[in-house]
Amino acid sequence: GAGVSQSPSNKVTEKGKDVELRCDPISGHTALYWYRQSLGQGLEFLIYFQGNSAPDKSGLPSDRFSAERTGGSVSTLTIQRTQQEDSAVYLCASSLTWTGGASVYGYTFGSGTRLTVV
Amino acid sequence: ILNVEQSPQSLHVQEGDSTNFTCSFPSSNFYALHWYRWETAKSPEALFVMTLNGDEKKKGRISATLNTKEGYSYLYIKGSQPEDSATYLCSGSGGSNYKLTFGKGTLLTVNP
Repeated sequence: GAGVSQSPSNKVTEKGKDVELRCDPISGHTALYWYRQSLGQGLEFLIYFQGNSAPDKSGLPSDRFSAERTGGSVSTLTIQRTQQEDSAVYLCASSLTWTGGASVYGYTFGSGTRLTVV
Repeated sequence: ILNVEQSPQSLHVQEGDSTNFTCSFPSSNFYALHWYRWETAKSPEALFVMTLNGDEKKKGRISATLNTKEGYSYLYIKGSQPEDSATYLCSGSGGSNYKLTFGKGTLLTVNP
């Protein structure tokens, strides 16, 4: 598509429920990233995909968080048994080929999913 | 691990004022420095990417400079307008050729 698309734009969920956040990157961007920004914090890296593989999952905060990417395109971030500290804006970004791509070209971001856990 | 620091954390200025923010980063293993503008409920928008020491970039009333030897970048806004109100994010990719590390941002509010 023309840009990075994320859905839903807003999600309110009850503590303990599971949520799925979706990201549709720019066509042809093989690199895909998930970040989140909690209140008062900076953008925190969660996971990086190259194609369908995730060579860097170092930012996932707990085993309640998982992500997958299929067909080298759409990615889904799943949070199980949500907690109040999971409340944040979750941003997806994509970039050109990983070989020096993000470091030089930077990212194209989606507009994010605002997750509120009550 | 790359630590990107931004200051100030927030800033309120009057319409027409000029202002500037700072981004500091470790100068070792530097690849590139990126500035983004993030308006509420919108996508962060790329402003500049700079790679060389001494780089200066300009886009309308906004400009940026880069000093890789001492590890800092300045973002300048001349004649601030209310539509400039946003969070300005700085990111570096030092030590990684695939991942950007962001500072906490500077929240700019321009009062009419």
